[in-house]
Amino acid sequence: DAGVIQSPRHEVTEMGQEVTLRCKPISGHDYLFWYRQTMMRGLELLIYFNNNVPIDDSGMPEDRFSAKMPNASFSTLKIQPSEPRDSAVYFCASSLNRGGTGGTEAFFGQGTRLTVV
Amino acid sequence: SQKIEQNSEALNIQEGKTATLTCNYTNYSPAYLQWYRQDPGRGPVFLLLIRENEKEKRKERLKVTFDTTLKQSLFHITASQPADSATYLCALDEGYSSASKIIFGSGTRLSIRP
Repeated sequence: DAGVIQSPRHEVTEMGQEVTLRCKPISGHDYLFWYRQTMMRGLELLIYFNNNVPIDDSGMPEDRFSAKMPNASFSTLKIQPSEPRDSAVYFCASSLNRGGTGGTEAFFGQGTRLTVV
Repeated sequence: SQKIEQNSEALNIQEGKTATLTCNYTNYSPAYLQWYRQDPGRGPVFLLLIRENEKEKRKERLKVTFDTTLKQSLFHITASQPADSATYLCALDEGYSSASKIIFGSGTRLSIRP
């Protein structure tokens, strides 16, 4: 398996524009996480899905952020409209079969570095 | 409020010595605690997981302890090498239910000097 795949790797956009980040989890994994990493706040959990269903989106900073998982092999994180303070590295991670059977590791993608100017 | 604190932002260690990193948490009840390594420009990579009923876990030169009374985990790298230089993140996993999630500390940047 190629691992968790994120695209694009880098995104530079102007304030006010819509940004869509994409993630393909590892095949067969049933959990998908979106994180945001900055120097100031570290690695923050934004939202996570179990079997394509959003479980907890309490980390999503504002209504400008939305995430979907239309099927087991694809998820998007959208920011509309984007602002300079959204500049960060966004990571997607997936894991397998955590439903009450024990903790398992999260596999991370390479991240998308977003710069909003 | 809930917090995960890693003892220092940066740690400098002489090659060959043991590096010890600390992770403290408050207002969490993790069933599992994980440690990850992150290199610049890359995503975190899983290293070790320890369960709440385990006191210690080892993997090659790595050792993790988990004290649920102190609400603390220690991460040790013995015989440290310059290649061990990276940022190390602890993560809590409350486990057990589909509503659980993996929450990360802010990380400790470890530098091993030759």
